[in-house]
Amino acid sequence: NAGVMQNPRHLVRRRGQEARLRCSPMKGHSHVYWYRQLPEEGLKFMVYLQKENIIDESGMPKERFSAEFPKEGPSILRIQQVVRGDSAAYFCASSLDRGGGTEAFFGQGTRLTVV
Amino acid sequence: AQSVTQLDSQVPVFEEAPVELRCNYSSSVSVYLFWYVQYPNQGLQLLLKYLSGSTLVKGINGFEAEFNKSQTSFHLRKPSVHISDTAEYFCAVIKFGNEKLTFGTGTRLTIIP
Repeated sequence: NAGVMQNPRHLVRRRGQEARLRCSPMKGHSHVYWYRQLPEEGLKFMVYLQKENIIDESGMPKERFSAEFPKEGPSILRIQQVVRGDSAAYFCASSLDRGGGTEAFFGQGTRLTVV
Repeated sequence: AQSVTQLDSQVPVFEEAPVELRCNYSSSVSVYLFWYVQYPNQGLQLLLKYLSGSTLVKGINGFEAEFNKSQTSFHLRKPSVHISDTAEYFCAVIKFGNEKLTFGTGTRLTIIP
């Protein structure tokens, strides 16, 4: 059973370009979470999605950031018109069920560098 | 809102010595508590979690943690560390009925041969 798969592992974008980060959850998991880790900081929650629904996007910046988890295919975190401050590691996690006691499994992350 | 404080950003320890990584949390409601480990350029791996029951929780790789409600702490311990324990360790909480983890800023554990 493969773990949470994120691609690409590394992504370099010039300022103003778009970044698309992909996350395939573990088999059977329908709950996906995105976190951002800025240099020298802990992870910060961004968004929680179930299939075709955004459940909690309280951690998402109001502009340029969007996320989706379609019925088929991976979850996508999209950052439009990237700026230097978007440089960070973006982690996806998935869980079998909702509820804080359910273990969330993390992917290896996508390291975004904006030049 | 919840918050998590990891007082030590870096902890150097000699190989085979014991280690304690400190974690304190603040929350107006009940929470679940977690410790995650992050090896260089890797994702996070769950070490252990406290949901309920015994306050002493045992995890993988010989780690354990003790939940202390009165001191709002969840310190991580290992009696004898190994070189392979070199990593970043994150304490995190989830509010009951919620799904989003609130993380501390992490403690970098360095094992000295």
